Amino acid sequence: QSVLTQPPSVSAAPGQKVTISCSGSSSNIGSNYVSWYQQLPGTGPKLLIYDNNKRPSEIPDRFSGSKSGTSATLGITGLQTGDEADYYCGTWDSSLSAVVFGGGTKLTVL
Amino acid sequence: QVQLVESGGGVVQPGRSLRLSCAASGFTFSSYGMHWVRQAPGKGLEWVAVISYDGSNNYYADSVKGRFTISRDTSKNTLYLQMNSLRAEDTAVYYCAKAPVSGWYLYAFDIWGQGTIVTVSS
Repeated sequence: QSVLTQPPSVSAAPGQKVTISCSGSSSNIGSNYVSWYQQLPGTGPKLLIYDNNKRPSEIPDRFSGSKSGTSATLGITGLQTGDEADYYCGTWDSSLSAVVFGGGTKLTVL
Repeated sequence: QVQLVESGGGVVQPGRSLRLSCAASGFTFSSYGMHWVRQAPGKGLEWVAVISYDGSNNYYADSVKGRFTISRDTSKNTLYLQMNSLRAEDTAVYYCAKAPVSGWYLYAFDIWGQGTIVTVSS
């Protein structure tokens, strides 16, 4: 049981937009920055978003992040088959004094 | 370029110890907090531990507290994870990861190593 809650799977057609939600509480998302990671099959995780909505320079602007209260959302526009991967949200939990992750969401591009 | 390379994984019996290393290059190692994150076969990401840029602070996941110790050697640009009293549930790919912001920053990891596999089995 993960501290952060993500949908197990989402799907959309190529070229479309998809959003992935991440729900937490006041001790984690509600009071700390959220990050998002992409894990392609057989590879290590890759940072997509940090500090709720900042992108590393190499990440295309098709990827975006937002936060409201105790929830965060990853948005991906112009879906490509290469976007098929597992996506994880993460943050610091001030009550646990630990980094916490969501359980991961598998994105299928139909 | 910025790079992290883990080593030290392998097959170990329950109750035994193992030490993982993570060699850092391409950035000022002493300026960044460093983490260990693991992923059990077919499972999601699980954070293990963090150490501050200067080694003065560290935190651990409850699942490893009292058994694992994170440390760093700035002279060697290397991060370590000493794992004692290993259990079957510690079987995972272990990644070291760097914070994207210098100083005491706990919220994200921008550079990950390729991972090293630890299998705990009799």
